[in-house]
Amino acid sequence: GNSVTQMEGPVTLSEEAFLTINCTYTATGYPSLFWYVQYPGEGLQLLLKATKADDKGSNKGFEATYRKETTSFHLEKGSVQVSDSAVYFCALSPTSGGSYIPTFGRGTSLIVHP
Amino acid sequence: EPEVTQTPSHQVTQMGQEVILRCVPISNHLYFYWYRQILGQKVEFLVSFYNNEISEKSEIFDDQFSVERPDGSNFTLKIRSTKLEDSAMYFCATGAAELSYEQYFGPGTRLTVT
Repeated sequence: GNSVTQMEGPVTLSEEAFLTINCTYTATGYPSLFWYVQYPGEGLQLLLKATKADDKGSNKGFEATYRKETTSFHLEKGSVQVSDSAVYFCALSPTSGGSYIPTFGRGTSLIVHP
Repeated sequence: EPEVTQTPSHQVTQMGQEVILRCVPISNHLYFYWYRQILGQKVEFLVSFYNNEISEKSEIFDDQFSVERPDGSNFTLKIRSTKLEDSAMYFCATGAAELSYEQYFGPGTRLTVT
């Protein structure tokens, strides 16, 4: 079956540091890949997505590239802010086979200190 | 900006009791989903719902669970006889189309079974 593995947190950084949160996946076919963010007290929000190999999703300074050869979709940001403190979820969604239900990772908590 | 809302934000119940979790979807959305996240674990799909019937459900969604749209607006998840292991955060999500990967999530209901 499909699965998503992401690095365990919490990840603790100082403001303006470089961020990487690793995500790898196992899936049949060619899934779409996503990063969701959950701010305290709120629901999951779609942060970015990529629907095919070598696509780069980007939003709010975050980027992730769909790497089929390494089955990875690592999240990066060049300079984090305190307001980026949240839980980040990597997810995949099948694009064939009749089911489009996403599979999520466990989430990685990011804490950014001033 | 339209958003999905969920009530209550926190529900405490005794083992064996019935609980109903409520979700108000975004008004033009037709696809509805429930997920749960046990503390420290992955976000897991429970059920999808479209056109007043279940489209897909996971192994977790057994006979103690049910969903409905009782009044055409609210979307509810009922757990008939709660168990300790049902303690989790339950997220509702809604979407405008089945193939839309941008499911909009509510903030979640934290269910604690004692």
